[in-house]
Amino acid sequence: ELKVEQNPLFLSMQEGKNYTIYCNYSTTSDRLYWYRQDPGKSLESLFVLLSNGAVKQEGRLMASLDTKARLSTLHITAAVHDLSATYFCAVTTSGTYKYIFGTGTRLKVLA
Amino acid sequence: ETGVTQSPTHLIKTRGQQVTLRCSSQSGHNTVSWYQQALGQGPQFIFQYYREEENGRGNFPPRFSGLQFPNYSSELNVNALELDDSALYLCASSYSGLPFETQYFGPGTRLLVL
Repeated sequence: ELKVEQNPLFLSMQEGKNYTIYCNYSTTSDRLYWYRQDPGKSLESLFVLLSNGAVKQEGRLMASLDTKARLSTLHITAAVHDLSATYFCAVTTSGTYKYIFGTGTRLKVLA
Repeated sequence: ETGVTQSPTHLIKTRGQQVTLRCSSQSGHNTVSWYQQALGQGPQFIFQYYREEENGRGNFPPRFSGLQFPNYSSELNVNALELDDSALYLCASSYSGLPFETQYFGPGTRLLVL
């Protein structure tokens, strides 16, 4: 059964600092997604990573995928308060559209 | 282009009751998936509908059932509600014709079972 783990679960960081969130998954996956969720809100799509070595960047967030290590990272550069949210990674299994979500990383950026 | 919408936004029920949640998919999308998100957890896949047929199911009991209509909107029905059914229920739509599609999530329905 495909399992997805994220770490850390909680992250409190100062504005202006850099940090990385890690997403490990247990078996081969077609693709990997990163979503953001604000408190009480739905999920907002951030990135879709499709192949080994894929890297995508949007603003202060950069996501990468290493399919051999079954690892994706979400790197935060020079964090700002507006990035405070919960970040989820999700993977899909071959032949289905079922998303398996990670446990989530709750990020709090302190001014 | 209209996004994914869900109704109602909030709902309070008592144990043993039945509930129906509704979802309208994004324009042009023919696939709808339902997820349950308990407080502090990641979403858990319930099931997916593609062109009115169930296309996959997660580890949820049969009292969780669904429908998809010809206009691709969908319902999630939960019978014999239990306290643990309290959660945010998310609907997501996608257009299965695209090679690498993303699921777009609605705002969710927050269900509280007392």
